[in-house]
Amino acid sequence: DAGVTQSPTHLIKTRGQQVTLRCSPKSGHDTVSWYQQALGQGPQFIFQYYEEEERQRGNFPDRFSGHQYPNYSSELNVNALLLGDSALYLCASSLVGPGETQYFGPGTRLLVL
Amino acid sequence: DQQVKQNSPSLSVQEGRISILNCDYTNSMFDYFLWYKKYPAEGPTFLISISSIKDKNEDGRFTVFLNKSAKHLSLHIVPSQPGDSAVYFCAASDRNTGTASKLTFGTGTRLQVTL
Repeated sequence: DAGVTQSPTHLIKTRGQQVTLRCSPKSGHDTVSWYQQALGQGPQFIFQYYEEEERQRGNFPDRFSGHQYPNYSSELNVNALLLGDSALYLCASSLVGPGETQYFGPGTRLLVL
Repeated sequence: DQQVKQNSPSLSVQEGRISILNCDYTNSMFDYFLWYKKYPAEGPTFLISISSIKDKNEDGRFTVFLNKSAKHLSLHIVPSQPGDSAVYFCAASDRNTGTASKLTFGTGTRLQVTL
């Protein structure tokens, strides 16, 4: 049973560019959440997708957008990259419903130069 | 505004002894708490959780205690093993919002279990 997978594992971009990160949820899960983990910090919630719609959003600008496909996989897009966007981006999947445990992928490490 | 705080950035414990990791929160709406363990180059791995209706939950060597009046929780690992060396994150959620609860994390405590 495959867990949560993310691609790519590492990425280097320059300021102003755009990036797309991908996530495949754990088998049977229908909800995907994205988190940003800066160096030395805990993960911070970006947004969550269920039934192909954004359901909740954290304190992130509109430059951060996402998508969920009918097979529950998801993408995180970041436009107009800033140096401060350099971080580990984590995808977590779960079943829909409060209190459902979220399972994390290994993350995509993004470096913006 | 740090709603979940882990005030000890690091902790060193001898193998076989008890490890106690602490976490404080400020948001009284939080009603579900989780601990995750993270190794380098891996995503956080779920360890144990506790609902606000309980004050203790055990799973093998791991026990989580919740003191709602103090807005404090702790994770006890007994006995500690070298493989427990990792960064531990405390997370909290309000299960009354949203389809699946968004998690608010602390900044983590790096546990080192020495031989």
